[in-house]
Amino acid sequence: GAVVSQHPSWVICKSGTSVKIECRSLDFQATTMFWYRQFPKQSLMLMATSNEGSKATYEQGVEKDKFLINHASLTLSTLTVTSAHPEDSSFYICSANRGLDTGELFFGEGSRLTVL
Amino acid sequence: KQEVTQIPAALSVPEGENLVLNCSFTDSAIYNLQWFRQDPGKGLTSLLLIQSSQREQTSGRLNASLDKSSGRSTLYIAASQPGDSATYLCAVFGGGNQFYFGTGTSLTVIP
Repeated sequence: GAVVSQHPSWVICKSGTSVKIECRSLDFQATTMFWYRQFPKQSLMLMATSNEGSKATYEQGVEKDKFLINHASLTLSTLTVTSAHPEDSSFYICSANRGLDTGELFFGEGSRLTVL
Repeated sequence: KQEVTQIPAALSVPEGENLVLNCSFTDSAIYNLQWFRQDPGKGLTSLLLIQSSQREQTSGRLNASLDKSSGRSTLYIAASQPGDSATYLCAVFGGGNQFYFGTGTSLTVIP
């Protein structure tokens, strides 16, 4: 299967700082990537759809100024959690759509964020 | 709006047993359906993808079927092993970057 790499896999930061998470499709180009948040023992919660070369589309209730998404190339999308607070601590996962028409998703390994 | 349901939410079976996981969806106008597994603290791993025109797909001990008209898919796991313990999720693709996920079935295979 295709490979999507997410980095870092875990990060600890102080409250008030910003953290950047990268999502790369290693062997295919992805016009669209997705960012999710997952709480313990719960399913994925879609945060935003990241489109290469254009602004991300955020789901209702997700603060676009807090969760900055940049999709500058066909293989890289980044999620920046700005002015992080302890309530932002969570597991963040990205996915990339390999085929616009076929709709086949491949996921990164996830990033565990802990805000102290 | 598409709704995807997975029943049961949790399943526990002894090693070696064959088992079936269920996924149902309310809108049959889908392009494909994908099955994933998620291990604790990890991302999702793609297992099988079935196009809307297909009836089933097989990979090793896994067999996924799709009945689009009735809005159902099953994931059959043969001769289960402890390493199969994970959460299994299905997702349907409705076109236009619209993916809908089920809530998952947590599988435990007891040695």
